[in-house]
Amino acid sequence: DAGVTQSPTHLIKTRGQQVTLRCSPKSGHDTVSWYQQALGQGPQFIFQYYEEEERQRGNFPDRFSGHQFPNYSSELNVNALLLGDSALYLCASSLVYDTQYFGPGTRLTVL
Amino acid sequence: DQQVKQNSPSLSVQEGRISILNCDYTNSMFDYFLWYKKYPAEGPTFLISISSIKDKNEDGRFTVFLNKSAKHLSLHIVPSQPGDSAVYFCAVFVQGAQKLVFGQGTRLTINP
Repeated sequence: DAGVTQSPTHLIKTRGQQVTLRCSPKSGHDTVSWYQQALGQGPQFIFQYYEEEERQRGNFPDRFSGHQFPNYSSELNVNALLLGDSALYLCASSLVYDTQYFGPGTRLTVL
Repeated sequence: DQQVKQNSPSLSVQEGRISILNCDYTNSMFDYFLWYKKYPAEGPTFLISISSIKDKNEDGRFTVFLNKSAKHLSLHIVPSQPGDSAVYFCAVFVQGAQKLVFGQGTRLTINP
């Protein structure tokens, strides 16, 4: 039974570019949440998708957007990248209202 | 403002002894708490959780204690093993927002 998977593992972009990160949830899970973890900090909630809709959002600008597909996989898009967007991006899957399980993350570096 | 605080950035413990990691929170309405462990280049791994209706939950070598009046929880690992060396995050599940709020993490090092 595969756990949460994320792609790519690492990504290097330049300021102003756009990036798409991908997440496949654990089998049987229908809810996907995205978090940003800056160096030396705990993960910060970006948003959550359930039934292909964004149902909750953290304190992140509209440059951060997402999508959930009918198979429950999800994408995180970030437009107009800033140096401060450099971080580890974590995807977590769960059944709604249940414990969240994390993927390995995508390390984004913005130059 | 930091709703969940882990005031010790690092902790070093001898193998076989007890490791105690601490966490404080600010909102008395929080009612579900979790601990995650994170190795480098991996995502956080769920360890153990506790609901506010309990004051203790055990799972093998791991025990979480909750003191609601002090708004404090702790994770005890006994006996500590070298494989326990990792960063440990305390988190609270915010029911309305359906999100986890994490502390800053404590790096635990188990010395042989």
